[in-house]
Amino acid sequence: SQQGEEDPQALSIQEGENATMNCSYKTSINNLQWYRQNSGRGLVHLILIRSNEREKHSGRLRVTLDTSKKSSSLLITASRAADTASYFCATGYNTDKLIFGTGTRLQVFP
Amino acid sequence: DAGVIQSPRHEVTEMGQEVTLRCKLISGHNSLFWYRQTMMRGLELLIYFNNNVPIDDSGMPEDRFSAKMPNASFSTLKIQPSEPRDSAVYFCASRSGTINQPQHFGDGTRLSIL
Repeated sequence: SQQGEEDPQALSIQEGENATMNCSYKTSINNLQWYRQNSGRGLVHLILIRSNEREKHSGRLRVTLDTSKKSSSLLITASRAADTASYFCATGYNTDKLIFGTGTRLQVFP
Repeated sequence: DAGVIQSPRHEVTEMGQEVTLRCKLISGHNSLFWYRQTMMRGLELLIYFNNNVPIDDSGMPEDRFSAKMPNASFSTLKIQPSEPRDSAVYFCASRSGTINQPQHFGDGTRLSIL
């Protein structure tokens, strides 16, 4: 079974609004990664946060990590129609293997 | 720089046929991962290699599936014989360095077994 579970499963917002997606996982981690997948394409890496980090920023993306709650959130600020995609979290622990969550489908309406 | 390249992008074949999926890694990357994505099961790791050596194939569904890395830049995933339940999108991803580096995905092969 997959380790990561994203919440919500689907999210619809208007351009300019912020989008927040959450990820919960079950075991210890070395890092947690967020990926985006556009329809019909492969996954694209967005951001990696290590287990000893609590917050990380990249452009309009902000990721937080709470290892005590085994959860992470991805915030996309000032969303654009081009942000429409599925977003996945992935975790790894002392192995090259990544376990991917079930994904959040984000729809941004112009 | 070219990303991970997969071929073919789409494959439709009849059950019982042999299917070969191909993947070209990003130059300099030393780890290669094969995944399968379906609506029901999401994204599953099938097998991965480090420096051309298979490390973990516990995700390979059964003996009908096999994967090879004949050289440092190329991999194949073979299904023989194929079955309708193998229909899915198959991705390969490559990575350089260690576990704290991101994986780079190809655009996948959409496989339909009739």
